[in-house]
Amino acid sequence: GAGVSQSPSNKVTEKGKDVELRCDPISGHTALYWYRQSLGQGLEFLIYFQGNSAPDKSGLPSDRFSAERTGGSVSTLTIQRTQQEDSAVYLCASSGETQYFGPGTRLLVL
Amino acid sequence: EDQVTQSPEALRLQEGESSSLNCSYTVSGLRGLFWYRQDPGKGPEFLFTLYSAGEEKEKERLKATLTKKESFLHITAPKPEDSATYLCAVQAGTSYDKVIFGPGTSLSVIP
Repeated sequence: GAGVSQSPSNKVTEKGKDVELRCDPISGHTALYWYRQSLGQGLEFLIYFQGNSAPDKSGLPSDRFSAERTGGSVSTLTIQRTQQEDSAVYLCASSGETQYFGPGTRLLVL
Repeated sequence: EDQVTQSPEALRLQEGESSSLNCSYTVSGLRGLFWYRQDPGKGPEFLFTLYSAGEEKEKERLKATLTKKESFLHITAPKPEDSATYLCAVQAGTSYDKVIFGPGTSLSVIP
């Protein structure tokens, strides 16, 4: 595709439910990143995938957060037992030499 | 610990009033410094990559410069459409290509 795409664009869920966020990176990009951006805050690194290497999970805030990248392409970020503090914009980026971002998924946990 | 800071936190300019945004970093082995623009409700949009001290990049009214400790984003004769949050990020020389973002500078250009 022409750019990084993410789905859904918006997600409203109830506290305690699980959510899955999807990222389709730019074709050919081997690196994929997930970030979280809370209202008025900077980007918080969550997880990084590079090719077939083990992902860098050092930014995941708790064990309720996990991510997969299937076939070196599409990635899914899963948040289990969502809490209100999980409400944020979740941004995905892929890179060759430069990082390009998707539009984000706006998650609201009620 | 690798760290990126930006100043000011917010900047309000009159149309045509030139100014500069600062990005200061402390990292071990800088591999690249990036500037992004982010409009409300959208993902960051790539502007520039700088790799070594002394390097400069220009795009329309924007010019980015890099030293060993900081980068500046100079905005010449800004227009209201330049209003956005400007993010700085660095990629450090680790085994992983982790990119560390600063908190951003919110720029408002008043007509």
